[in-house]
Amino acid sequence: QQQVKQSPQSLIVQKGGISIINCAYENTAFDYFPWYQQFPGKGPALLIAIRPDVSEKKEGRFTISFNKSAKQFSLHIMDSQPGDSATYFCASLISGSARQLTFGSGTQLTVLP
Amino acid sequence: GAGVSQSPSNKVTEKGKDVELRCDPISGHTALYWYRQSLGQGLEFLIYFQGNSAPDKSGLPSDRFSAERTGGSVSTLTIQRTQQEDSAVYLCASSLTSGRVRTGELFFGEGSRLTVL
Repeated sequence: QQQVKQSPQSLIVQKGGISIINCAYENTAFDYFPWYQQFPGKGPALLIAIRPDVSEKKEGRFTISFNKSAKQFSLHIMDSQPGDSATYFCASLISGSARQLTFGSGTQLTVLP
Repeated sequence: GAGVSQSPSNKVTEKGKDVELRCDPISGHTALYWYRQSLGQGLEFLIYFQGNSAPDKSGLPSDRFSAERTGGSVSTLTIQRTQQEDSAVYLCASSLTSGRVRTGELFFGEGSRLTVL
């Protein structure tokens, strides 16, 4: 019920390409879906987040697409750059009661120059 | 400092020894979390402190793990009789209030890398 499944585990993309990372959840009580970005040797940092009342949220080159009926959400990185190379974690939260985020297993993104 | 501070950044210890990891959260943040990140793995929740409330210890993997938060600020994670499977990066995070937690906005430190030989 608390699991968030993330794929792929690793992703290699050419500079300028589109990176797509997918997450699926089971608990329909989740109502907030953030993505975190982690560079080597650093802690994760909030990148972008979405609530299920919208199907898409865009911030610069980063877009979250949300499919409530399928219980899936994805991160799209347009015009991927080598500086985007990092590990990305999706997460889910129950706003009303949760005290912790449930994180996906992470995707290691490498953008080739 | 402006961010979450953790120490030590690296710790190598022998199996069976006790270790203490320290977290200094962002000033004014009432919520504090500990997570564990094993190599190539996701973030495993360990424990959560919110103000003066009883901590949520539901993620602690065994009774060898404990944590305290003194004065509502600095926190120490203690691992007793360390085992090789305890080797991981231990991340601390803080957030402003429980209301902010609902936005999922946690501020993480850089972690303490623990290696148990």
